[in-house]
Amino acid sequence: AQSVAQPEDQVNVAEGNPLTVKCTYSVSGNPYLFWYVQYPNRGLQFLLKYITGDNLVKGSYGFEAEFNKSQTSFHLKKPSALVSDSALYFCAVRDPIISSNTGKLIFGQGTTLQVKP
Amino acid sequence: DVKVTQSSRYLVKRTGEKVFLECVQDMDHENMFWYRQDPGLGLRLIYFSYDVKMKEKGDIPEGYSVSREKKERFSLILESASTNQTSMYLCASSLTRDSAEAFFGQGTRLTVV
Repeated sequence: AQSVAQPEDQVNVAEGNPLTVKCTYSVSGNPYLFWYVQYPNRGLQFLLKYITGDNLVKGSYGFEAEFNKSQTSFHLKKPSALVSDSALYFCAVRDPIISSNTGKLIFGQGTTLQVKP
Repeated sequence: DVKVTQSSRYLVKRTGEKVFLECVQDMDHENMFWYRQDPGLGLRLIYFSYDVKMKEKGDIPEGYSVSREKKERFSLILESASTNQTSMYLCASSLTRDSAEAFFGQGTRLTVV
């Protein structure tokens, strides 16, 4: 069965330090992987995605993510955190074998990122 | 820019009421989705639609129904609202392509009293 796990409910980091938000997945085929961010009382905003090709994907607001097939992971990273990065982050996966272009996404439970000044 | 608009940001309804949540997208997307978001549970798919008048159950369809009479509009219906349906509801849309990202509305926070 498809699943996504975000093992940390919350990540705390000091402003200016690098940040990592972890995500692991389980799918039967080659995954399409996505990261979204949610600010308080707002909908989700797309950050970046991995479809194929280079394992390091760059996205919005200086974020990047590394796809690691052997570890079935897709961790979100940023070299230098900002206080304004504080938000709820969701990892999501789509298994094209199951999805068949219906667009169904499976989401992790979310990780709250807290960046302190 | 893709815009997905949900008709209400906040709603308070009474137990037993029939509740309609409306969602409109302006990018001619084929796929539309309704998710429910609860703390610690992430987003759970209620229903989705890949074409007009087509719908499929997601992971938690009980107590909900949907309607898609026009491509741009996808409605979520709570037939008889209950307190355990108090939640944040998120609508999303995407192209019919597995590589396509989904675009989300701003969410409707529904409280059933």
